[in-house]
Amino acid sequence: SQQGEEDPQALSIQEGENATMNCSYKTSINNLQWYRQNSGRGLVHLILIRSNEREKHSGRLRVTLDTSKKSSSLLITASRAADTASYFCATVSYGNNRLAFGKGNQVVVIP
Amino acid sequence: ETGVTQTPRHLVMGMTNKKSLKCEQHLGHNAMYWYKQSAKKPLELMFVYSLEERVENNSVPSRFSPECPNSSHLFLHLHTLQPEDSALYLCASSQVWQGEQFFGPGTRLTVL
Repeated sequence: SQQGEEDPQALSIQEGENATMNCSYKTSINNLQWYRQNSGRGLVHLILIRSNEREKHSGRLRVTLDTSKKSSSLLITASRAADTASYFCATVSYGNNRLAFGKGNQVVVIP
Repeated sequence: ETGVTQTPRHLVMGMTNKKSLKCEQHLGHNAMYWYKQSAKKPLELMFVYSLEERVENNSVPSRFSPECPNSSHLFLHLHTLQPEDSALYLCASSQVWQGEQFFGPGTRLTVL
């Protein structure tokens, strides 16, 4: 099954800066989702972007999707210490409801 | 984490023990999932239940046995586990075909 692959794997930034993460995948998708996970806890859904959408916003989050390049980016603007977490992209293919996860990005926001 | 609960949150067991993980969702969803999360590996989908029927079993060893008695409850029965089974086990639920999944807080399992 396909998996999203995030890049970079680890990111350390100062509070107030923007954080950008990328995700690539290999096959056609129905939608792509981003999740956040605080240390040792469950995943929290952040945003879903469908294959016919190119950009989506939710609060300080901005997600883009380029289906021709099979890639997505997640931008967190004006980062806060509370944004420190692991961020995962996950893809859903047509005809099923299965999420295929990438390995995740560790983001550390330094106060 | 609200909406999907998991118990216990932490579990330590020996290789000869039998234990069960429990998941309950209060969201009215009709699909439930078990995932395994090991260090430095992507989340691994173990089982999927849709409308209380198991629809996917991703080559999981038989020492893991799922049970879904109704659309709100999901169990993972464990027996004769191996140390490499130590991981965070996550339960999730969703409305079938709608993509977004809601996760529980997980059970941190340690097999001695």
